[in-house]
Amino acid sequence: KQEVTQIPAALSVPEGENLVLNCSFTDSAIYNLQWFRQDPGKGLTSLLLIQSSQREQTSGRLNASLDKSSGRSTLYIAASQPGDSATYLCAVGPSNDYKLSFGAGTTVTVRA
Amino acid sequence: DAGVIQSPRHEVTEMGQEVTLRCKPISGHDYLFWYRQTMMRGLELLIYFNNNVPIDDSGMPEDRFSAKMPNASFSTLKIQPSEPRDSAVYFCASSRTDTVLAKNIQYFGAGTRLSVL
Repeated sequence: KQEVTQIPAALSVPEGENLVLNCSFTDSAIYNLQWFRQDPGKGLTSLLLIQSSQREQTSGRLNASLDKSSGRSTLYIAASQPGDSATYLCAVGPSNDYKLSFGAGTTVTVRA
Repeated sequence: DAGVIQSPRHEVTEMGQEVTLRCKPISGHDYLFWYRQTMMRGLELLIYFNNNVPIDDSGMPEDRFSAKMPNASFSTLKIQPSEPRDSAVYFCASSRTDTVLAKNIQYFGAGTRLSVL
């Protein structure tokens, strides 16, 4: 069974600092990996999706890398802003179906 | 499109009562997913449908839980009878598979927060 771990569980940084969020998974036979954002009381919003054949994806200030062999992904958020405060979850998709396995998330607070 | 719409947003009920959660997926999406989120267990997939047909219900915790999708624009998750340990946020998500990029990108509703007293 795929196990997805996110460390740290919570992170607090001053505005302008770069954020580094980590995700690790136990089974490297994945189809893709996604990073989601969840605001309090809201659903999840997909931020970036990396296919298993890719090494990274970028969108604006966000950059996600994937190392399948070591079972790791990292989400970088450059020049953090208070609006980046949220919980970030990673999810891995297996090769054979649509059942995403989610990590518990990292709750980020960016202090103004 | 308005996105995935779930109702109600909040539900408070007493143990033993029947609870029905509703979901309207994004038009044109052919996959629908039901998740449960708790502090203890995180986000868990309960069941998912493809073209209105249940594909995998292995995440449904007990026979008290049932889900239906009578048509492409509506799905329900029912708990009967409800118990306090069912208290959680239930999310519905949908996706489409017409392109390689679209596959696996799931769009989530805002969720239903269920409290069973």
